Amino acid sequence: EDKVVQSPLSLVVHEGDTVTLNCSYEVTNFRSLLWYKQEKKAPTFLFMLTSSGIEKKSGRLSSILDKKELFSILNITATQTGDSAVYLCAPNRDDKIIFGKGTRLHILP
Amino acid sequence: DTGVSQNPRHKITKRGQNVTFRCDPISEHNRLYWYRQTLGQGPEFLTYFQNEAQLEKSRLLSDRFSAERPKGSFSTLEIQRTEQGDSAMYLCASSSMGGAADTQYFGPGTRLTVL
Repeated sequence: EDKVVQSPLSLVVHEGDTVTLNCSYEVTNFRSLLWYKQEKKAPTFLFMLTSSGIEKKSGRLSSILDKKELFSILNITATQTGDSAVYLCAPNRDDKIIFGKGTRLHILP
Repeated sequence: DTGVSQNPRHKITKRGQNVTFRCDPISEHNRLYWYRQTLGQGPEFLTYFQNEAQLEKSRLLSDRFSAERPKGSFSTLEIQRTEQGDSAMYLCASSSMGGAADTQYFGPGTRLTVL
């Protein structure tokens, strides 16, 4: 059965801190891994990772995939209050996305 | 706005009533997905279409749920004889082609409350 485990489930840090969010997965017919940010609305796309070891960056956010260890991390540096959200890891198998429960990140001013 | 749109944004209904939601995908996208999300959980896959063909339906989906995409553009999701457990956010997403290079873009969702 497909499995996506995100850790930690919840994280509270101060503005300016750096955070690392983890995602481990076991899915059949893996194609890619997506990260989404969800505030009080629908998920918004952050990254899609298809190859191991190639870091994707967007501003203060970066992510990397390890297809051998079935693992991905999402880093956020110099966090801001606007980064407060739920971050969802979503492996894509057979064009169907399997979502984890997410990591709820709260940034204190 | 050329993103995914969903209507209505909120729906309150009494148990036993039927409800229908609509999703309009990004115009050039040929794949359309429906998900359900409850509090504290990630979105759960329900079904998806490629053009007008419904390619997969979750085993968890009750027979009370049905989805259509008659012309390969907008889609509707109908829930018959609603139950309180159906209360959730129903999300629609679309993508351009499928495969490893594909990304799904989500609409704002329809929040259903069954009283």
